[in-house]
Amino acid sequence: EAGVAQSPRYKIIEKRQSVAFWCNPISGHATLYWYQQILGQGPKLLIQFQNNGVVDDSQLPKDRFSAERLKGVDSTLKIQPAKLEDSAVYLCASSLDRLLTGELFFGEGSRLTVL
Amino acid sequence: DAKTTQPNSMESNEEEPVHLPCNHSTISGTDYIHWYRQLPSQGPEYVIHGLTSNVNNRMASLAIAEDRKSSTLILHRATLRDAAVYYCILNTGNQFYFGTGTSLTVIP
Repeated sequence: EAGVAQSPRYKIIEKRQSVAFWCNPISGHATLYWYQQILGQGPKLLIQFQNNGVVDDSQLPKDRFSAERLKGVDSTLKIQPAKLEDSAVYLCASSLDRLLTGELFFGEGSRLTVL
Repeated sequence: DAKTTQPNSMESNEEEPVHLPCNHSTISGTDYIHWYRQLPSQGPEYVIHGLTSNVNNRMASLAIAEDRKSSTLILHRATLRDAAVYYCILNTGNQFYFGTGTSLTVIP
């Protein structure tokens, strides 16, 4: 079974530029999550989708971050304009359903460096 | 919104058991306790989860206190491949709250 795919693995940009990250979850997984992990910290949830609808985006900085999952499968997270403090690893995860008594499957992450 | 407390770091000798503690005093009756681990440059991976009773799987055991305000992840024989950051997480049914985790060093 293929895992959660993310790209790009690494991205370096200057502040005020824009960047987009892509995630393809495990086939059949209805729920998709984007997490931000700053160096030395645990992952922080940015947004959670159930199929193509947003379940929770309370911690997403909406003035600069946006995310979509138009067909209920793959998803894109965009940052525009980027700030220095956005340097982090962006992790995508998926699960079979929202009940979360089971398992979250994570991708390897996309590491962003903002100069 | 960290709802769990773990030691920042622990060490263990290879092939000895490791007990990783976690406090979650604000746990509610329907919260599941999950453990994940994160190897360097990888995403977190599932280890084990439970609600009230102790749980065992091929990777580890989870011991849950009777009042559910603490739990312990037990690795029965630590190997070098177990060196990772271990996260104790409360699953509220809505989202996972990750803390800062425990960095486990395994000494050969």
